[in-house]
Amino acid sequence: GAVVSQHPSRVICKSGTSVKIECRSLDFQATTMFWYRQFPKQSLMLMATSNEGSKATYEQGVEKDKFLINHASLTLSTLTVTSAHPEDSSFYICSARMGVLAGGVETQYFGPGTRLLVL
Amino acid sequence: QKEVEQDPGPLSVPEGAIVSLNCTYSNSAFQYFMWYRQYSRKGPELLMYTYSSGNKEDGRFTAQVDKSSKYISLFIRDSQPSDSATYLCASTVGGYQKVTFGTGTKLQVIP
Repeated sequence: GAVVSQHPSRVICKSGTSVKIECRSLDFQATTMFWYRQFPKQSLMLMATSNEGSKATYEQGVEKDKFLINHASLTLSTLTVTSAHPEDSSFYICSARMGVLAGGVETQYFGPGTRLLVL
Repeated sequence: QKEVEQDPGPLSVPEGAIVSLNCTYSNSAFQYFMWYRQYSRKGPELLMYTYSSGNKEDGRFTAQVDKSSKYISLFIRDSQPSDSATYLCASTVGGYQKVTFGTGTKLQVIP
């Protein structure tokens, strides 16, 4: 199956610093990638939709100036958490859109996630 | 009210048991219903999906949707320790519309 990687898998940083997370599609081109955040015992929350070569579309309540998304190529999207604070500590997962299956449902392949801890 | 509700568990069952995982949803426009499996420290992977009401079977797994009651179920027969994971239900209107996830139910199958 399609493979999506994320780097780093885990990061610890000090409050006020910026952290960049990379999401790569390894064996296919992904024009659309998604960024999710998952808090413990809570559902995956879509943060933004990233389209190659254009600005990301952010979900309501997500600060676009805090969570910078760049989708500069068909295989790479990056999420930068700027001026990170302890409340930004979470599990960040990206996914890449593969298309719509014959039954009509969209297929997304997820990365393994990045655990961010802000001290 | 969350659009997709799911009991987070955890749910512990002995090996070989039949497992029933359930979700409810509130958005009547949802047409597609998916189940994802997420192993610890990994991203979710699509397990099964169904369109509208009805059943779908794949090996030991059966997905069931009842749109009249807005109820989604996943049954696992002859559960194995390797089935231990978090199972997330998800729903969408279809096509490229946003997918809404439940919180996930953590399942542990004990040998």
